[in-house]
Amino acid sequence: EAGVAQSPRYKIIEKRQSVAFWCNPISGHATLYWYQQILGQGPKLLIQFQNNGVVDDSQLPKDRFSAERLKGVDSTLKIQPAKLEDSAVYLCASSLAPGVNEKLFFGSGTQLSVL
Amino acid sequence: QKEVEQNSGPLSVPEGAIASLNCTYSDRGSQSFFWYRQYSGKSPELIMSIYSNGDKEDGRFTAQLNKASQYVSLLIRDSQPSDSATYLCAVKRNNDMRFGAGTRLTVKP
Repeated sequence: EAGVAQSPRYKIIEKRQSVAFWCNPISGHATLYWYQQILGQGPKLLIQFQNNGVVDDSQLPKDRFSAERLKGVDSTLKIQPAKLEDSAVYLCASSLAPGVNEKLFFGSGTQLSVL
Repeated sequence: QKEVEQNSGPLSVPEGAIASLNCTYSDRGSQSFFWYRQYSGKSPELIMSIYSNGDKEDGRFTAQLNKASQYVSLLIRDSQPSDSATYLCAVKRNNDMRFGAGTRLTVKP
């Protein structure tokens, strides 16, 4: 079974530039998450999709971050304009369905460096 | 107070010993609890989940949950150098999952 696919693996940009990340979840997984993991910290949820609808985006900095999941499959996360503090690993995760017992499967992440 | 709190470590144990990792959480309504392992430069992978008070064993791993004390732990028996990683505790209530900052474990040969 193929895992969660993410690209690119690494990205280096200058502040005020824009960047986009792509995620393709495990086939059949209805729920998709974007997490931000700053070095030395645990993952922090940015946005959660159920199919192509947003379930939770309360921690997404909407003035600069946007995400979409067209057709309820793959998803893109965009940052525009980037700030130095956006340097982090951006993890995509998916699960079969939401619920207290759900198990998340993570992709390999995109490491973003903002200079 | 952090929502999910873990000692950052590093925790160092000799090969073959028991490693004990601890986690406390602030939300009494939390419903499910997870332990993820994250190797350096890699993404987290689920190793244990627990939903009710008591112990749950899976191979060399045992998760322990005490909801009254808002405490969850992970024991790793017969620790191996390959267990060296950061262990993330995650706590979930409804759709909301919160992660701790993780405990870095080093198993010395």
